[in-house]
Amino acid sequence: QQQVKQSPQSLIVQKGGISIINCAYENTAFDYFPWYQQFPGKGPALLIAIRPDVSEKKEGRFTISFNKSAKQFSLHIMDSQPGDSATYFCAASINSGYALNFGKGTSLLVTP
Amino acid sequence: DTEVTQTPKHLVMGMTNKKSLKCEQHMGHRAMYWYKQKAKKPPELMFVYSYEKLSINESVPSRFSPECPNSSLLNLHLHALQPEDSALYLCASSQSPGGETQYFGPGTRLLVL
Repeated sequence: QQQVKQSPQSLIVQKGGISIINCAYENTAFDYFPWYQQFPGKGPALLIAIRPDVSEKKEGRFTISFNKSAKQFSLHIMDSQPGDSATYFCAASINSGYALNFGKGTSLLVTP
Repeated sequence: DTEVTQTPKHLVMGMTNKKSLKCEQHMGHRAMYWYKQKAKKPPELMFVYSYEKLSINESVPSRFSPECPNSSLLNLHLHALQPEDSALYLCASSQSPGGETQYFGPGTRLLVL
């Protein structure tokens, strides 16, 4: 059972545009929500993460928006660049647990 | 330094072979993880070591045998694998178990013939 639902499965954005990836969860015990970026042949790398006491977190061109009541969170990539082309995974975990519950991933292609 | 290293990068093995994957971190992390990732899928948790003790085994077949010789090292011993075990095997570590940032290594690409 997929505990974190991620959409869209794939996304094509023009250079300079905004990329938006959405995730939704059901388990209200989740209290840590990271986003990972993975390039082909590489391991996932932490991009940005948020906890539910904050509604938005920004790091450079990357912003997480978090809606606790809707149980949704999203990643916005501003001024998208071809180098951002990768697979993005959202995830959720419980502070007292070990497991990162991953979404199915979004394949992002930024065209020149 | 947030680096997790894994060796080898690539491995090809027959179904009767015995091989081992190695993972190392020098960040003083006390939790280490093995994940399996198939193409175009998210990583799937296999094992968790917490303070050098196996704390989670996600119903992984016995042909996969993890070992944690010390707090910096994690091995995954492979024996009698099946072609469907071909995947990217990822090691990760976190400062402490649960709710913390997991740092992933580059993975070992395994092909079972």
